[in-house]
Amino acid sequence: GENVEQHPSTLSVQEGDSAVIKCTYSDSASNYFPWYKQELGKRPQLIIDIRSNVGEKKDQRIAVTLNKTAKHFSLHITETQPEDSAVYFCAASKRSGNTPLVFGKGTRLSVIA
Amino acid sequence: GAGVSQSPSNKVTEKGKDVELRCDPISGHTALYWYRQSLGQGLEFLIYFQGNSAPDKSGLPSDRFSAERTGGSVSTLTIQRTQQEDSAVYLCASSSGQGGYTFGSGTRLTVV
Repeated sequence: GENVEQHPSTLSVQEGDSAVIKCTYSDSASNYFPWYKQELGKRPQLIIDIRSNVGEKKDQRIAVTLNKTAKHFSLHITETQPEDSAVYFCAASKRSGNTPLVFGKGTRLSVIA
Repeated sequence: GAGVSQSPSNKVTEKGKDVELRCDPISGHTALYWYRQSLGQGLEFLIYFQGNSAPDKSGLPSDRFSAERTGGSVSTLTIQRTQQEDSAVYLCASSSGQGGYTFGSGTRLTVV
């Protein structure tokens, strides 16, 4: 089955700097890669996703890149703000999400003001 | 409803007792998922319902865990003879099948 590895497990950045979180997956049939943000005590919320027919997607300060050959994808957050502090999870699934997502173990991002 | 509703939000139970956790998905969402999140850990897949198809139970950790989905809507996750290692936040999510999940707020289960 699918296995998703996520790095780093913790990340501290200064406010205004960029943050990058990387994930690798094992199943070449996976074609849907979402990212979720979970603030302390709250539910995970989808922030951006990418499908295998594109290599990059951007939404304001966040972007995701996908390298299908290498089977890895990354989340980039620019101009970080304190409210970006949270745990971020990457995930992968087949059939454009119509099968259960397999999640990475999460990255705790701290943005220091 | 406007979102995914889970109840109860918190549950404390004695070891050995059975518990039922409820999930009410977004109206019209055909897919429903249960995940478990232990303290400081990732999301562990438990079970998946898609329309009228047989559920994917491949993530259930033991035969003490079961789930059903009635009428293609509300789902109940049942844990029998609870153990301390069952303590976790149980998250339900639903989707229209196009990818993105909407999660509920979860049920925090504490087995004492």
